Parts: sequence; C-alpha cells; structure tokens
Amino acid sequence: NAGVMQNPRHLVRRRGQEARLRCSPMKGHSHVYWYRQLPEEGLKFMVYLQKENIIDESGMPKERFSAEFPKEGPSILRIQQVVRGDSAAYFCASSPDGRTYEQYFGPGTRLTVT
Amino acid sequence: AQSVTQLDSQVPVFEEAPVELRCNYSSSVSVYLFWYVQYPNQGLQLLLKYLSGSTLVKGINGFEAEFNKSQTSFHLRKPSVHISDTAEYFCAVTSQSGAGGSYIPTFGRGTSLIVHP
Repeated sequence: NAGVMQNPRHLVRRRGQEARLRCSPMKGHSHVYWYRQLPEEGLKFMVYLQKENIIDESGMPKERFSAEFPKEGPSILRIQQVVRGDSAAYFCASSPDGRTYEQYFGPGTRLTVT
Repeated sequence: AQSVTQLDSQVPVFEEAPVELRCNYSSSVSVYLFWYVQYPNQGLQLLLKYLSGSTLVKGINGFEAEFNKSQTSFHLRKPSVHISDTAEYFCAVTSQSGAGGSYIPTFGRGTSLIVHP
C-alpha cells in the first residue's frame, strides 16, 4: 500500500526557469494539499485541490505559482520564472475526502534555485 | 483564525532523560490537535492526535501529549528519550475553517529535539 509519492525528491533550477513538482496521492485519496517549508520554519499551506477542482488557494502566491490535479495523473505544482526565494521544501499531503482532518504527507521535493 | 506557538526552537537533552516540548494554540472554534515528527530530509509522520475525549493522548514511539483547554496547550512528553528521537517536531491545529468546510492545518515553527549520548 504505497503512501504519498512525490517526485522529483530534489530539483535544481536556475533563476528564471520553470519548476514542476509532482504528487501522487495515496490510493483511494482524491484530495491533495500542497505546503511549503522554508528553512527553520513550519509548513505553510499553499493550496487544496480535489480532482479537477481548486478548493482553496488562499496560501498561493498571486504570481508565478499554479497548481492542478487532473482527472488522470498526479497533482502538479508549477512555479514559473523561479527566484532564489522559492528555494524551499515543498510537501504534498492527501486525504480521502475534504472533511477528513487527518492528512498523510509525502517525502517532499527540495527545490534549490541557483 | 487559528495560530500555533512552539515556545522552544531547540531542546537539547541527554539520552534517557525526560523531555517536554511545548505547544500553545489559539482558535475561536473547536480544534483538533496534532504532533508530527520530521526526520532529516523526510516528510512529516504523525506522532499522535487529539480529537476529543481523554485529554491524555498516547502516540507512537513512547510519546504522549496532554490537551489543556483552559491553558490552550498541547505539550508533548516522553519519559526517556533515545538518540533516535533526534528530529524536528511540529505541533499543528486544525478546524473546519477552510473553504467549503475543509480542514486546513496551521503548523508551529517546529522544535528541534537534540538527544546527546
């Protein structure tokens, strides 16, 4: 029973490039949450998605960031024109439905912008 | 709005000593409380959770936490730590406050537990 999968685990991008982070939820889970962890800080909520729907994007930066969770395939967090300040660990979590308080976390993608 | 304060950024302790990691929260509604552990370069793993009922909650790896509503605290304790407990610990609070009644947790900044031999 595979857990939440994220890839790549490490991603290096130069300033101005695009970063694509992928998250496959646990089997049977149709709700995905993305979080960002800056050095020495806790996780900050970014966006909550259901298949083909964005439910809550109150934590997403207004520019350059977008997320999707298509009917088929993983959820993708996309960062356009990355800057040094985007360097962080990005975690994905999943739950079977949006009314479940317990979320299961993936191992994270560590993005480094050079 | 809800918030979480972890009062100690770092807690050094010797092996086999007891430890307490402090967490205080604020929320205007009923909450669920969690402690997660993060080992280096890994994701978060749930240690324990408080939903309702008994205020003393037991979790994995010998950890326990006590919910104190009057003090709005949820401190994590272990009577005897091991070297392998060295990790980052996060307290989180969640309530049905997200869009559409969803549960979006708020995390504290984390406490780094460092166990010395």
